[in-house]
Parts: sequence; structure tokens; C-alpha cells
Amino acid sequence: ILNVEQSPQSLHVQEGDSTNFTCSFPSSNFYALHWYRWETAKSPEALFVMTLNGDEKKKGRISATLNTKEGYSYLYIKGSQPEDSATYLCAFYNQGGKLIFGQGTELSVKP
Amino acid sequence: EPEVTQTPSHQVTQMGQEVILRCVPISNHLYFYWYRQILGQKVEFLVSFYNNEISEKSEIFDDQFSVERPDGSNFTLKIRSTKLEDSAMYFCASSEAHLDSRETQYFGPGTRLLVL
Repeated sequence: ILNVEQSPQSLHVQEGDSTNFTCSFPSSNFYALHWYRWETAKSPEALFVMTLNGDEKKKGRISATLNTKEGYSYLYIKGSQPEDSATYLCAFYNQGGKLIFGQGTELSVKP
Repeated sequence: EPEVTQTPSHQVTQMGQEVILRCVPISNHLYFYWYRQILGQKVEFLVSFYNNEISEKSEIFDDQFSVERPDGSNFTLKIRSTKLEDSAMYFCASSEAHLDSRETQYFGPGTRLLVL
């Protein structure tokens, strides 16, 4: 059974803090890792699709790295803002087009 | 920016009733999916659909579930006889390419289904 784990489960930071969280996934038969940002009552928003070992991607203050050999990805947020408060989901792409999701990291940024 | 839409946003139904959840994928997308999230659990894959056929389905997607693309725009998920354990947030997603791991799946906002 393919399992994707994210840590921590929740994170509370102050505005301006930088933060990071982890996604762990199977290191064999790797195709791609997807990151999403999900605010309550909205659609999960695609952040990154990462495919190559050593990949680094950046979108504004958010960046992500990928290590397929050891099976982890880090998501970093530099200088967190209250509008960054959301649940961050990673998903491992499996055959047949299915995404296997982690449980998410719920980020709360206090002003 | 194009987006996936879903209706209704919330639905309450009695156990044993049939429900149909509706989705309008992004217009040039060819590959469609349903996922669900039971409260407190992970988002889990139900089914993928391409060229009017199911491409892949999970163990959850049993005979009580069916999907259909009744016209050129809608994509539906039907649950024939709902059970209490079907209560969940149901997400529709679509992607442009078929079976490309690099392709983003765009998600709708979900339908919260409550079975009483």
C-alpha cells in the first residue's frame, strides 16, 4: 500500500516567520509529486509539480525541493503572511492518473 | 482563469437515497477524476475517466458508484443507495493531458455530502 505522510500535522507561526514542512513518499516507482494549497471553502490550488530528483521550484515566497532517492519533499514559506494560512497538501502521482495524498499540514499565521 | 465548478456545494440526504454530484471541468480538459475526503482523513482517489470510459478506479468505487459525462460539459458522480459512511467532501478534478504525471489536476471546491 502506497503511503504518503506529511509533518507536522499543524503549525502556528507569527507573521514574518519562515517555516517549512515535509512530505514523505515511496522512493520506488516515482513519477511526480504535486503540492497543493487548500483554503477552507475554496478549491485546492496547484502550487508545484515536481518530477526530477534535486528539483527546486519557487512561486513568490513559497519554494519546494525534491529528493526522490530518499523519498521526501520540503515546502518552504519565507516571511509567512496571514494570507498564507491554509492546509498544504502533497500528493504522489501513481499509475492510472491517481494522486495519493498526504494528510496535509495546516498552517496558521498570526498577525 | 478557467476553473472547475461543482454543484451543489452542500447536500444532505437520507440513507438509501440516490445522489448525483455534478461537476463542470475546464473546457479543453479531457481527463476527469473524483476524489473524496472523509472528515479527519486523507483525500482519497475514487475514479478517473477518459474518452467516456473509466480509466482507473479504487476499491472504494464499488457498484454503488457510477460516473457519466452526459453532455459535452458536465461530469457526474452518482451514488445509488447512500450509506452513512459515504458522508464526505467530494472533489472533482480535471487535467488537460492523459496519463501524464507532470500534468496538473485542477480541483473544484467540492460538494459536502451528509448522509443521515
